[in-house]
Amino acid sequence: GQNIDQPTEMTATEGAIVQINCTYQTSGFNGLFWYQQHAGEAPTFLSYNVLDGLEEKGRFSSFLSRSKGYSYLLLKELQMKDSASYLCAVPNQAGTALIFGKGTTLSVSS
Amino acid sequence: DTAVSQTPKYLVTQMGNDKSIKCEQNLGHDTMYWYKQDSKKFLKIMFSYNNKELIINETVPNRFSPKSPDKAHLNLHINSLELGDSAVYFCASGPSGGNTGELFFGEGSRLTVL
Repeated sequence: GQNIDQPTEMTATEGAIVQINCTYQTSGFNGLFWYQQHAGEAPTFLSYNVLDGLEEKGRFSSFLSRSKGYSYLLLKELQMKDSASYLCAVPNQAGTALIFGKGTTLSVSS
Repeated sequence: DTAVSQTPKYLVTQMGNDKSIKCEQNLGHDTMYWYKQDSKKFLKIMFSYNNKELIINETVPNRFSPKSPDKAHLNLHINSLELGDSAVYFCASGPSGGNTGELFFGEGSRLTVL
């Protein structure tokens, strides 16, 4: 089965850089997703990594190391609106659904 | 034009009642899902349908019965509601399988059982 671990909470200040880590154990690997979820809203897709390395998308970047079962989401130039939960997810073994970690709640203060 | 829409957005009901949540997607996806998000924000897969066929039923009590009349719709009916059913239920859709496609979520239906 899948096991996904990420920190429960993180805090940071505006303008800073924060790194949210995710470790996973999965039978067969078919990529790793990051989603953002603001309070009271739906999760929205941020990034997808299937090969090792860093994928950059504006202020957000996502890194993957398949050999280490490790990913991180890097948020630069933090803004108040980045306060949200960040969910790490991998497909299940059959590739029929995404399995989510418990999410990391990020609080950005001024 | 909302991609994945679910109704109602809020449900407040008494224990023992039966309720339904409807979901529709206009993205042309083959696969639809129901996820449950509890008070600790853990998003857990409940059901997955591909082209109207049940693919996943993740040890959900049989009081929960999904129905997919066509591949654009996936409804969730819950019988004999219990306090522990209080949660936000998210519908989602995606291309076939979960390997390479991102999921698109509806806005969620917040169910409160009193």
